[in-house]
This record gives sequence, C-alpha cells and structure tokens, in this order.
Amino acid sequence: KNEVEQSPQNLTAQEGEFITINCSYSVGISALHWLQQHPGGGIVSLFMLSSGKKKHGRLIATINIQEKHSSLHITASHPRDSAVYICAVNRVQFYFGTGTSLTVIP
Amino acid sequence: EPEVTQTPSHQVTQMGQEVILRCVPISNHLYFYWYRQILGQKVEFLVSFYNNEISEKSEIFDDQFSVERPDGSNFTLKIRSTKLEDSAMYFCASSAVSIPYNEQFFGPGTRLTVL
Repeated sequence: KNEVEQSPQNLTAQEGEFITINCSYSVGISALHWLQQHPGGGIVSLFMLSSGKKKHGRLIATINIQEKHSSLHITASHPRDSAVYICAVNRVQFYFGTGTSLTVIP
Repeated sequence: EPEVTQTPSHQVTQMGQEVILRCVPISNHLYFYWYRQILGQKVEFLVSFYNNEISEKSEIFDDQFSVERPDGSNFTLKIRSTKLEDSAMYFCASSAVSIPYNEQFFGPGTRLTVL
C-alpha cells in the first residue's frame, strides 16, 4: 500500500520547458514536503506546504488539501534541474513517494 | 552555511556485526531524524528524536535499532546485529522546531553495505 503516489515516474524535458510533477496522498497530513535528490544521493528540502502555494525562484509548489493533491512546477527548466523529486507527507510519521526522475536535455 | 554532517560516508560490515552511524546535526536544532533508502527504492522514515527521547518510530525501527545523543553534538544510529537487508543509504536530518512547522536539513548520507 502506497500512502503517497507520484506521477510521472520518469520525465524527460527539453531545456526551457515548463514541468509539472504530481503527488497524491491518501492519509491525513499536517504538511507535505517536496525534496530534491541529486544523482550523488544528497537530499535537499525544497518546500514544506500545509496549504496554498509557495514559490522559490523557478519552482512553484501547490497543494489542495481537500483533493489530497500537490503539484511541483518548474518554469524554464534547465539541465541542472535534473534530479529525482520526492514528495513526502507527515502527520505523526513520514511517508515518502517513490520519486520522479527528471532529466532536462540541453 | 550550517549543514548536517554524517560519518562515515561508506561503511562495509559483516552480517551479524554491530554498526554505529554518526551524525552531527546543525548546532541550534532540536529535532533529529533517521531515514533509510534501500538502493532503487523510496526513502523510508525510521525514527524521530527530541529532548533525549524517541518521538516517533516506524515499523522498521525494531529492537535491532537504537538511537542516542551521547553528547551535545552527535546523534547516532546503532544497528546491533546487521542483516543483509540492512544494506541501504542512511540519512540523518535535523530541524529547528518540530516539523511540519519547520523544514528539515538532510545530511549527505552513509552508505551501509552488509556482506
């Protein structure tokens, strides 16, 4: 049973394209997190959301609590955005999605 | 910029041996976490720790695992008798206040290989 589902699993985009990664969850949550995992394995926290929308540079994250759904958008994608993007939710415990592997081609 | 550090970066051990993975969280952080990621699989929550006590733990965190903050700076994960299936990347994280109210910062990970 997967408490967190992400789509797509893999995504290839041309540099400059607008990218959307989706996350759906089935448990009640206190917050949703978007994480970025680099090819070397390191993990960076991008966003933490409990409602609405957040923007940081070219990254935008939205959450719809009623629909239990979140999206991560990347505008003007760049090859350095290539990474695995992970959605995670927590209430008491943490649940992680399997990640979306993004490759941006120059 | 402050960061979470982990040592060693790679640990190889024989099945049945005890291992201790070490983490130095960001100095003013109060909440500490361990996660693991088996190769090719998703990240899994192991345990959270606050005020010298375990706050939450997952089903994975059984009696073979323990955590400790032995001094003011280190946070350790001990696996008493390693099994082959313990082979994974182990990430430590810390946050200033209890998430979800604050973001967490991850260490670079320790790759544990059990032979």
